[in-house]
Parts: sequence; C-alpha cells; structure tokens
Amino acid sequence: KAGVTQTPRYLIKTRGQQVTLSCSPISGHRSVSWYQQTPGQGLQFLFEYFSETQRNKGNFPGRFSGRQFSNSRSEMNVSTLELGDSALYLCASSIGTDSPLHFGNGTRLTVT
Amino acid sequence: GESVGLHLPTLSVQEGDNSIINCAYSNSASDYFIWYKQESGKGPQFIIDIRSNMDKRQGQRVTVLLNKTVKHLSLQIAATQPGDSAVYFCAENKGGSQGNLIFGKGTKLSVKP
Repeated sequence: KAGVTQTPRYLIKTRGQQVTLSCSPISGHRSVSWYQQTPGQGLQFLFEYFSETQRNKGNFPGRFSGRQFSNSRSEMNVSTLELGDSALYLCASSIGTDSPLHFGNGTRLTVT
Repeated sequence: GESVGLHLPTLSVQEGDNSIINCAYSNSASDYFIWYKQESGKGPQFIIDIRSNMDKRQGQRVTVLLNKTVKHLSLQIAATQPGDSAVYFCAENKGGSQGNLIFGKGTKLSVKP
C-alpha cells in the first residue's frame, strides 16, 4: 500500500508570496493532519481534517489554511509568507482520530 | 501547561547493545502513547504504540513500557543497529482528535559501529 505522498518536496518562496502544499493520504485513511516542524519548536499541530471537515486547528495565524477533498486528498495554503514560516511541513493520515498517524516525508519550505 | 519531555536530548550506544529512550509526560488524562522514529530527510515513522490499559507492549526488537504512576514512557531497542540511528519522538494523546496529540522534542540516537 502506498504511503502518504507530499508534493512538492522542496519550495523556495519570497516574503509576501503564498504557497500551496499538497498531500495524498494512505488509501482508506479519512483523517489528514498537518504539522509544522522546526528545530526550535519541534512538531506543532496545524489542523486536522476528517471527511472534508476541519475537526481541529492549532494555534497558528489565519494565514495558514487548509482543506480536504472528497477523495481525502488535502492541501494547505500559507498566504503572505514570512521568514519564520520556513520549516518542514508534514502531512499525516490515519484511519481515525485515535489511531497512529502515518507521515509523509514533508515539504521543505524556505522563505527568503 | 501540558508537555511531553525527554530526559536526554542525545544518546550514543554501541552497535549490538540495547538502547533505552525515556520520555516523561505530564497530562494524566492521556490514554494513548506513540513512539516515532525520524531519519534525516524523512518524515516521522510510526514504531509502536500503547494504550493506558497496558504496561508493556512488544514489537520487533522494540518494547514500550508505560508507568502511569510516575507518568513515564520508555522505548527499548534490542541489539541496536546502525540503521536505528535517528531522532526518536514520544507522543501522547488524551483522545478525541489528532489535535490533542502532543509530541516531545526528540532524542537523537547515535549507534557506534
């Protein structure tokens, strides 16, 4: 069974631009979560989607948004990029809310 | 506030020895615990999980121990191999949403040949 796929793997953007990251979950997984990983803050929860509905949202500004499609694929968008948004963005899928997350290899975003 | 912390940021072991990675958690309401392994350039990989109604769970070369009395979690790796070199994260969840999953900062395991 294919794992979680994230595209693109690397992105370089300039301040003020926006970016869209894509995630394809494991087949059959309906829950998709997004995390931001930085050396200083570790893994921080962004949002969780289940059946196209945002179930939970982390403590990030409104510039961070996401959505889930009917096939469970998900996208996250960051508008008006700031230097501090440089990070590894990880998508993870799970069968349900109390089952283990399975992560993709992430999108490395660099904001210059 | 709630936190998941690791006692040691780095751990160096000899190939073939057993490794023990420790984790303290502070939320007594947490009932689900997970260990992840993250290799350089990759996302975290699920290793093993345990629920609060258990004290011990074994996988292939790995064992997770849960001590609810002192809110302590450990991951034991038997016969550590060079391929085990990675950062290991513990995570706790009080249930209801993946948004309640809290990750520790990680322990870097280095295996010396």
